[in-house]
Amino acid sequence: EAGVTQSPTHLIKTRGQQATLRCSPISGHTSVYWYQQALGLGLQFLLWYDEGEERNRGNFPPRFSGRQFPNYSSELNVNALELEDSALYLCASSLWTGGTDTQYFGPGTRLTVL
Amino acid sequence: GQQVMQIPQYQHVQEGEDFTTYCNSSTTLSNIQWYKQRPGGHPVFLIQLVKSGEVKKQKRLTFQFGEAKKNSSLHITATQTTDVGTYFCAGAGYGGSQGNLIFGKGTKLSVKP
Repeated sequence: EAGVTQSPTHLIKTRGQQATLRCSPISGHTSVYWYQQALGLGLQFLLWYDEGEERNRGNFPPRFSGRQFPNYSSELNVNALELEDSALYLCASSLWTGGTDTQYFGPGTRLTVL
Repeated sequence: GQQVMQIPQYQHVQEGEDFTTYCNSSTTLSNIQWYKQRPGGHPVFLIQLVKSGEVKKQKRLTFQFGEAKKNSSLHITATQTTDVGTYFCAGAGYGGSQGNLIFGKGTKLSVKP
């Protein structure tokens, strides 16, 4: 069974540009979560999507947005990139049954903002 | 909002020594999960604790959930070099936010052979 996949592996942008990160969940999983992991810091929750809807959002500005497609894959968009947006962006998926389920993480996208 | 604090931030041990990381939540949790992230890797699920006072073991790893469901610990007996990595606890609340986890900042474990 394929795990969570993310693309691209690495992304280099300049300040002010937009970045689009993609995630494909494990087959059968309906929930997708996005996290930001800056160097030396923990996992900061960004967004949670389930069944195409945004279920919860972390403490990030509106220029961080995303969506979930009918096939449950997801995109994270970061507009007006700032230097401090440089981080590893991790996507996780789970089969949300109303409780709290194990999250399976992808390998991440390393975003560098110059 | 809900916060999950984890200590220590770093731990350096000699191979064979024990290791413990502690996790404390500002609010009562519905459950707590533990993940391990190897250097250069991504977090991998280790275990979930749900019941008050629950203790679970995985070989040399012992996980505990406090009676008040606000704190947890992970203890590794006789560390090995393969234990190197960052250990994260992640707490889940109740109600509408139950589906997402709040991660602690992690404890980075290094093991000297």
